[in-house]
This record gives sequence, C-alpha cells and structure tokens, in this order.
Amino acid sequence: EVVLTQSPGTLSLSPGERATLSCRASQSVGSSYLAWYQQKPGQAPRLLIYGASSRATGIPDRFSGSGSGTDFTLTISRLEPEDFAVYYCQQYGSSLYTFGQGTKLEIK
Amino acid sequence: QVPLQESGPGLVKPSETLSLTCSVSGGSIRSRNYWSWIRQPPGKGLEWIGYIYYSGRTNYNPSLKSRVTISVDTSKNQFSLKLSSVTAADTAVYYCARVDTAMGWEFDYWGQGTLVTVSS
Repeated sequence: EVVLTQSPGTLSLSPGERATLSCRASQSVGSSYLAWYQQKPGQAPRLLIYGASSRATGIPDRFSGSGSGTDFTLTISRLEPEDFAVYYCQQYGSSLYTFGQGTKLEIK
Repeated sequence: QVPLQESGPGLVKPSETLSLTCSVSGGSIRSRNYWSWIRQPPGKGLEWIGYIYYSGRTNYNPSLKSRVTISVDTSKNQFSLKLSSVTAADTAVYYCARVDTAMGWEFDYWGQGTLVTVSS
C-alpha cells in the first residue's frame, strides 16, 4: 500500500499570500494517478487537480499542481478567503486508492 | 453534472449490517466510469472503501474486504454498499463518487455524503 504523507499538517497564511502544500509518497506514484481535493466544513471533497498538474473543470488558475515520483506539490498562488479549507492528496496504484491525512489551510 | 445522492439509515446497531444506496442522475451508470464508496470518520481523513463497474466488476480496500459488498442495479441507475458486522469504528460520513477512468481514475463527482452512526 502506498502511504501518502502531507505536510504541513496546518498552514496559517493570510489572504493574498502564496500557499505551498506537500504530498510525499512511500513509493513512486504514476503522475497520471495523483489528485488533489479541497474540502470545506460540512461539504464533500471537490476535485481540484488530476494527473498531478491538470486543473479540473471550473477550478481557478491560481491553483496549480506539480511533481513526480514520490514528491508532489499543490500551490495556490494568491489566497482568496474561500480557499481556506482542508486539502487532500490521493493516489491510485495497483488497483488501490489511498489518501493523505490532509493539510488544513487556516487564516492567519 | 452527474449528481449523486446517498440514502440509507443514519443509525445502525453494533454487529449489524450497514446498507446504503447511491442514486445517479444526469447520466447513465452504464458508462466507462466506475462508481465508488469513500468514508470519513468525524474529524478524520478519507478512506476508500471500494468501487464497482456497471458489469458488476468490483474491487475493495483490503482492510475492509472481508466485510464489504458493493453491488449495482443498472435498471435503477443505482449502486449500493453493504458493510457487515459494524462497530463504533465504522461511524462515518459515507460518500459515493464517480471514478473518471478517462484520466487518472480520480473521483470527479461526489454525493453530499450521509452520516452513519453505529450505536446501540
């Protein structure tokens, strides 16, 4: 099983700042099979990024994904008030899915 | 849009079987997509339970495999989850989701989720 470790656990930033979230895998992940989700309280997760770097439909271009192998990054270029939420990475490999434990992005 | 909607009892007794259904509207379940169940214990992260194709092909999380059955009813455009011998540890919000197999098998549409509490 591929274990995904996200860091930091909590990130405190102000609107307008840049956010960088990390997702590290215990073994190599195919780039096509790495996704990022945003979850707000009381809501289902929303797909942001698939294939490590492709934005899902309707996702603003301030969200970007990068990385390969075991290290992946989600970057939010300029934080908007609605971006404060929990973010999860997810991988699919050997017909199994795993999620990272999440990074909480909070307002400083 | 491919709205998904979970339904089922919100309270299940320990040792009994949890049963949920996901209704798919706005699109046919008989598509290239797979259909999945994911859960989230209160205040915790996401755990994949399993997925099914409209043909009935399934794949389950090994940690739950002995207790999980996912089935599909194409005539009703629905798929279902059964989790047997539940304990308090199975208390969670249960989501159904669509798997987009055209890309990286990510979950592109989600239901709103339904909270299932295991308690006597």
